[in-house]
Amino acid sequence: KNEVEQSPQNLTAQEGEFITINCSYSVGISALHWLQQHPGGGIVSLFMLSSGKKKHGRLIATINIQEKHSSLHITASHPRDSAVYICAVRSAIKGGADGLTFGKGTHLIIQP
Amino acid sequence: DAGITQSPRYKITETGRQVTLMCHQTWSHSYMFWYRQDLGHGLRLIYYSAAADITDKGEVPDGYVVSRSKTENFPLTLESATRSQTSVYFCASSDMGLGINEQFFGPGTRLTVL
Repeated sequence: KNEVEQSPQNLTAQEGEFITINCSYSVGISALHWLQQHPGGGIVSLFMLSSGKKKHGRLIATINIQEKHSSLHITASHPRDSAVYICAVRSAIKGGADGLTFGKGTHLIIQP
Repeated sequence: DAGITQSPRYKITETGRQVTLMCHQTWSHSYMFWYRQDLGHGLRLIYYSAAADITDKGEVPDGYVVSRSKTENFPLTLESATRSQTSVYFCASSDMGLGINEQFFGPGTRLTVL
């Protein structure tokens, strides 16, 4: 069983809709990352969080450490938000010194 | 150029050949990582390095060799390439020591083994 589970795997929505992507993990973590990858493109870090909530523009990330769950929200979605969103965790044991463990990603398509 | 770069960006090789993928970062980050990305598996850690001359295995190290003689470089070598090593390879770096431990990813190398 993968240590990091994301849902949904695929999501198609209309422009302007509110988007939620979920991430659950089974291990103790020191931090959780949300990453974005455009088709054929590189990987960009959106958020790194260990508690609470962070906001950047139309993107909001929340984490509940007790429930081992995080969500990424996109408000007023736009076709340029179409990408793969990846959840990744850093182990609590080594603090991420041994790399990240990734979910399989959520493929988001925003239609105009 | 500042940042983290990978070369080559695209590589086609044949089964049994040796291939080296290069990774270079200009931030003097202590930690560097190699990941591979495959459909159905997502990203998986191959090897990582905490500093020059310190390397350790990740989740999928078999068939790969790494070295880190200088802080800024972290080459990944496939000693005898196999078709199962066809993948997109990402290098990343992080400066754990200062607590600025976001990971920065290179642009990726798409490797095809025929």
